[in-house]
Amino acid sequence: KNEVEQSPQNLTAQEGEFITINCSYSVGISALHWLQQHPGGGIVSLFMLSSGKKKHGRLIATINIQEKHSSLHITASHPRDSAVYICAVIRGNKLVFGAGTILRVKS
Amino acid sequence: DVKVTQSSRYLVKRTGEKVFLECVQDMDHENMFWYRQDPGLGLRLIYFSYDVKMKEKGDIPEGYSVSREKKERFSLILESASTNQTSMYLCASTGSGELFFGEGSRLTVL
Repeated sequence: KNEVEQSPQNLTAQEGEFITINCSYSVGISALHWLQQHPGGGIVSLFMLSSGKKKHGRLIATINIQEKHSSLHITASHPRDSAVYICAVIRGNKLVFGAGTILRVKS
Repeated sequence: DVKVTQSSRYLVKRTGEKVFLECVQDMDHENMFWYRQDPGLGLRLIYFSYDVKMKEKGDIPEGYSVSREKKERFSLILESASTNQTSMYLCASTGSGELFFGEGSRLTVL
């Protein structure tokens, strides 16, 4: 079993839909990041979470430390949200990634 | 405000050449990583370093070496480049829960 499980692997949505990507982990962590990579682009961290909830524009990220689970929500999705989203956890000096979610938002 | 800088965005090298990829971070992070990213294979860890002069092998270290003489700089070395090392190489650094990636270096070995 992978230390970080992410779902779904692929997601296609219509513009305007509410999107949720989930991440579960099985180890103790110091922080969790949600990463975004557009086709041909670099990887950027959207959120760093150690507890609670963060919001940036149409993006919301939550983490439940007790349940070892995090979600990334996109409200009113737009074609420019099409990208790969990756859950990454920092455990000591180690970095562990989920397999990624390929999101396609159709107009 | 660039935080992780990779020395070259695009490189073309010949088989057998020695290749240096440099990564510099300005956040005083302890941990630095080198990954390669290939279609369908995701991010694969080559080496990481948790302190100056300290290094650990990742999942695919064969054909690569690294150097970390200063805290801010982590270099990836391909001693004798081969065509199967054609890839996107990404550097990352972490510290105090932060995580930043460089923009990537796309290496083509002919």
